[in-house]
Amino acid sequence: DVKVTQSSRYLVKRTGEKVFLECVQDMDHENMFWYRQDPGLGLRLIYFSYDVKMKEKGDIPEGYSVSREKKERFSLILESASTNQTSMYLCASSPGGSNQPQHFGDGTRLSIL
Amino acid sequence: GENVEQHPSTLSVQEGDSAVIKCTYSDSASNYFPWYKQELGKRPQLIIDIRSNVGEKKDQRIAVTLNKTAKHFSLHITETQPEDSAVYFCAAYGNNRLAFGKGNQVVVIP
Repeated sequence: DVKVTQSSRYLVKRTGEKVFLECVQDMDHENMFWYRQDPGLGLRLIYFSYDVKMKEKGDIPEGYSVSREKKERFSLILESASTNQTSMYLCASSPGGSNQPQHFGDGTRLSIL
Repeated sequence: GENVEQHPSTLSVQEGDSAVIKCTYSDSASNYFPWYKQELGKRPQLIIDIRSNVGEKKDQRIAVTLNKTAKHFSLHITETQPEDSAVYFCAAYGNNRLAFGKGNQVVVIP
C-alpha cells in the first residue's frame, strides 16, 4: 500500500517566518505534488515535480517554493509566511507518466498568526 | 487550463437510495478522470477512476460514467450507507496536471 507521510499534522507559525513542510513517499514514485485545500475552493495545485531536482509551478505558486533533492522527498517552503497562507496542505505522489492516480498524505493544517 | 465544475455542492439522501454527482470539464483533450472520497479529518482517497477510452466503469456499489461529447462524467453510488457520508471530489487530467472540482458534500440520512 502506498504511504505518503507528511511531517506534521498541525503547525502554528508566525507571520514572516520561513516555514518548511516535508513530505516523504515510500513507493518510488516519480511524481510528487503539493496542494492546498480551503473550504469551498477544493484542492488547488501549488507546485509539482516529475523528477529529482525538477519542479513546475502549479496554479497558485506565489509565496511558495519547493525542493526535491531526493526522489522520495518533496518539501514545500513558505519563504515569508503570511496569514493568507493559513490552510490545509496536502502532499500527493503518483507513478511516472500521465494519467496515474495520485495518493495523498494526511495533510498538514498550518496556522499563521 | 482545465476547469472542472462539480454539482450539486451538497446532496442529502436517505439510506438505501442512490446518489449521483455530476462533473463537467472544459478541455476536450483531458483523458483521465478520478474520483476521490474525503471523510472528515482524513486524506482524500481514490475510489474509482475512468479513462477516456471507456464509457462506464463499476466497482461494487459505485460506478462512473463518462460522456466525452458533452464533456461530463458522473459518480453513481447505489444502496447508500451511512459510511458513504463524505466529501467527494472529481478531477480531470489535462495539461500535465489534475484539476479538481470544488467538492460535493454527501450526507446519508439513516
